[in-house]
Amino acid sequence: KNQVEQSPQSLIILEGKNCTLQCNYTVSPFSNLRWYKQDTGRGPVSLTIMTFSENTKSNGRYTATLDADTKQSSLHITASQLSDSASYICVVRLASGGSYIPTFGRGTSLIVHP
Amino acid sequence: EAGVAQSPRYKIIEKRQSVAFWCNPISGHATLYWYQQILGQGPKLLIQFQNNGVVDDSQLPKDRFSAERLKGVDSTLKIQPAKLEDSAVYLCASSLYSVETQYFGPGTRLLVL
Repeated sequence: KNQVEQSPQSLIILEGKNCTLQCNYTVSPFSNLRWYKQDTGRGPVSLTIMTFSENTKSNGRYTATLDADTKQSSLHITASQLSDSASYICVVRLASGGSYIPTFGRGTSLIVHP
Repeated sequence: EAGVAQSPRYKIIEKRQSVAFWCNPISGHATLYWYQQILGQGPKLLIQFQNNGVVDDSQLPKDRFSAERLKGVDSTLKIQPAKLEDSAVYLCASSLYSVETQYFGPGTRLLVL
């Protein structure tokens, strides 16, 4: 069964600190992996996308890594800000018959305290 | 560029009633998705359209949920009859093609009493 598991389920950090979120997946055949940020009451917004051959991708203070061999990804947030408080969702796309079907993780809820 | 539009934004109904949600994707986007997001969980894909054809609806409870995308543009999602456990946010998203970035609408918050 294609699954995406995220950890931790929730995380509380102080403003200015760094943090790392984890994503493990069993989706196969793998097409790409994205990290989304979802603010409360809003739809998810894409942060990064990584394909099979990419190991690292950065978007400002967000850096995603991918190990396709172990089927693990991480999202590292540097120098956290209050606006980083949100849910971070890992999404892995399954390649199926010419189409690409997304499988979502349950998300990590991040709270940044002043 | 206009984003994904959804309506209504909020809906409160009693169990066993019917409800319909509407989604207008970004112009030119061939792929349209409907998701159900229960509080505290990630979105669950209900149905994925490529133009007006269904790519995946394996997680759609077909005894009560239905969706259509006539003419390959707008889409409607219907629940008939609604159950208490259908209370959730229903998100619509679209992408240029199925491998591309998804752009999400603001969602419709459904409360079933």
